[in-house]
Amino acid sequence: AQTVTQSQPEMSVQEAETVTLSCTYDTSESDYYLFWYKQPPSRQMILVIRQEAYKQQNATENRFSVNFQKAAKSFSLKISDSQLGDAAMYFCAYRSEDFGNEKLTFGTGTRLTIIP
Amino acid sequence: ETGVTQTPRHLVMGMTNKKSLKCEQHLGHNAMYWYKQSAKKPLELMFVYSLEERVENNSVPSRFSPECPNSSHLFLHLHTLQPEDSALYLCASSQQTGGSYEQYFGPGTRLTVT
Repeated sequence: AQTVTQSQPEMSVQEAETVTLSCTYDTSESDYYLFWYKQPPSRQMILVIRQEAYKQQNATENRFSVNFQKAAKSFSLKISDSQLGDAAMYFCAYRSEDFGNEKLTFGTGTRLTIIP
Repeated sequence: ETGVTQTPRHLVMGMTNKKSLKCEQHLGHNAMYWYKQSAKKPLELMFVYSLEERVENNSVPSRFSPECPNSSHLFLHLHTLQPEDSALYLCASSQQTGGSYEQYFGPGTRLTVT
C-alpha cells in the first residue's frame, strides 16, 4: 500500500519570502501522479499543482513549483513570493489506480502561516 | 451552481438521529467520492462510486450508507452515529477516463455527534 508522509505539521514564512513544504511517499509503482492540494480556512480543497512521475521536468504553476526526486520518493512544494492568501493547510497526495479505479492517498498536511 | 456543492454545511445530530448529507457535482464527471477528515489525520477515503456503481468501501461501519442515484448526485445516509464520527465530511468528483486525474472537492459538511 502507498503511504504519504508530511513531516512538517506547521510552517510559517514572512510575506514575500519563499517556503518549501516537504513530502515523501512510498510506492513500488513506476508510473503514478502526485498532487499538492491547498485547503484554506474556508475548507474547500483545491488543486495547486500536479506532477506525472514519468516526466523528469518539475511542474510549475506561477509562484508554485515542485522538486520531484523520483529515486528518493520526494515531492516538495516551493512557494515563492508568499502572499497572505497562501495561508492554508497543504496536503500532498499520491494517485494510484487499481483495476481502472483511482484512489488518492493523502498525507497529514502542513499548516502554512504567512507573517505580514 | 458550479463545481461541487455540499449540503448542509453544518450538522449537529444526536446518536439516535437519522440524517443525510448531500453532494452534487456540476462538472460532468463520472466518479464521486466521500472522505472523512479528522484533525491531525490524513483524509480517509470512505466510498468511491464510478459510473454510479460503488467500487470501494474501506471497511466503513454500516452506520454510514452511501447512495448514488445518478452521476451528479451522491448521498451519505447517517444513523446511530458515535461521537467519534464527528468530523468534516468531504465529497469529491473526478473524470476517471480520459481526464486529468484531478479530484474536485466540495466545501464539506462539519458534522458534530452529541
